[in-house]
Parts: sequence; C-alpha cells; structure tokens
Amino acid sequence: GAGVSQSPSNKVTEKGKDVELRCDPISGHTALYWYRQSLGQGLEFLIYFQGNSAPDKSGLPSDRFSAERTGGSVSTLTIQRTQQEDSAVYLCASSQGPNTGELFFGEGSRLTVL
Amino acid sequence: ILNVEQSPQSLHVQEGDSTNFTCSFPSSNFYALHWYRWETAKSPEALFVMTLNGDEKKKGRISATLNTKEGYSYLYIKGSQPEDSATYLCAFPPGGNKLTFGTGTQLKVEL
Repeated sequence: GAGVSQSPSNKVTEKGKDVELRCDPISGHTALYWYRQSLGQGLEFLIYFQGNSAPDKSGLPSDRFSAERTGGSVSTLTIQRTQQEDSAVYLCASSQGPNTGELFFGEGSRLTVL
Repeated sequence: ILNVEQSPQSLHVQEGDSTNFTCSFPSSNFYALHWYRWETAKSPEALFVMTLNGDEKKKGRISATLNTKEGYSYLYIKGSQPEDSATYLCAFPPGGNKLTFGTGTQLKVEL
C-alpha cells in the first residue's frame, strides 16, 4: 500500500487477555516507531526500530509489552495479560531515515480493555 | 533544556488572527527538528523537517523558523482558519536517535 497500514483498527478485549497489533510500514522505510495516546494525553513513545540495529525498547511501560519487526518490514506489538490502563490508541509510524526523515503515521489501533 | 518543550500549552484565537508557538530543544548535538499537525480523530501529519540553523520553511499560511544555536523553533500561522484547529507537535531526536515529541500546543480557532 501507499501508506502505513495498521490492524485491527479497533480491538475490544477482556482484562487478562493477550492482544497483537500489526503495523505494515511504507516499503523501503528503515525506521519504525510505536507510540500510544491514552485518553487526554500526548504521544507516548514505546519502541523504535532502525534498520538492523537492536530496537530501542526504553519506552515500553512494562514487561507485558513486546514488539518485533520481521524482515525489516512488518511489526507486531504484543500486550500480554492486558490491563484497563492499556486502553489507548496505538500508533505506528515509519520514516526513510533515523532522524531527518519525516514520520508517516498509520490510522492507529484503538484498544479497549474491559 | 534536556527535552523538547512547547509553549503555550493551548491557545484560542479568532478567525483571521495570526499566531505563533514555540518549541525549545537542547542546542547541543542538533540533528533535526520536526513539526507535525494532529487533528482530532486523525493521525499526526508532518508539516516540516528542519535541519539547518536559520532554516525557514513555508507551507501555505504556515511557516516555521529554526535557531539551532539557542535551541528554539517558532511555528507561525497567518490568518488562522477554523480548519487550522489542531494540536501542533514538535519533535527532536536526542543523540540523533528516536524522535521525542513535545506535549504540543492545542490551537482552537473560533469564528
């Protein structure tokens, strides 16, 4: 596709269940970010992939969160044993370069944990 | 300044007013400064990526300037329109790595 694609667009789950969120970045983009926006808050950095380098996981809020990027393309964000405070919009973005390329954002995945 | 700071936090202006906001960032080891517009229920969209001291960029009624020596960038909107209502974010890559976003300036343009 022409843009960053995220799925699902909406996910409602029960507390304690695991969820997977998928991001398909723009082809050829080496940098991929996950952010989240909780209700009334700004963009919270979660994790950053750049090429073949080890990912920067410094923003992951707990060990229930993990992410991988396979083949330098598609990324999956996994949240285990979801909690109500995990409810947020999870945004994925990609760019051509590590810091000077503009970010292109997906439409986001809205997660609601009941 | 250790992180990206934006001011004001929010702003209400009348249609036709011109306005500006500030983004402050660490002036050492500068790589780039990004501006994004984030409309409600949409995803952030890039406005500008600025890399050189003294850079001035313009897109329609929106423009931005950059001072890397003193660590600030201004975003200007001339003749504000209701469709300009959004949160304006700046972002900076400390150490040249991941982009760190400020908390944004929320602009509301009223008729």
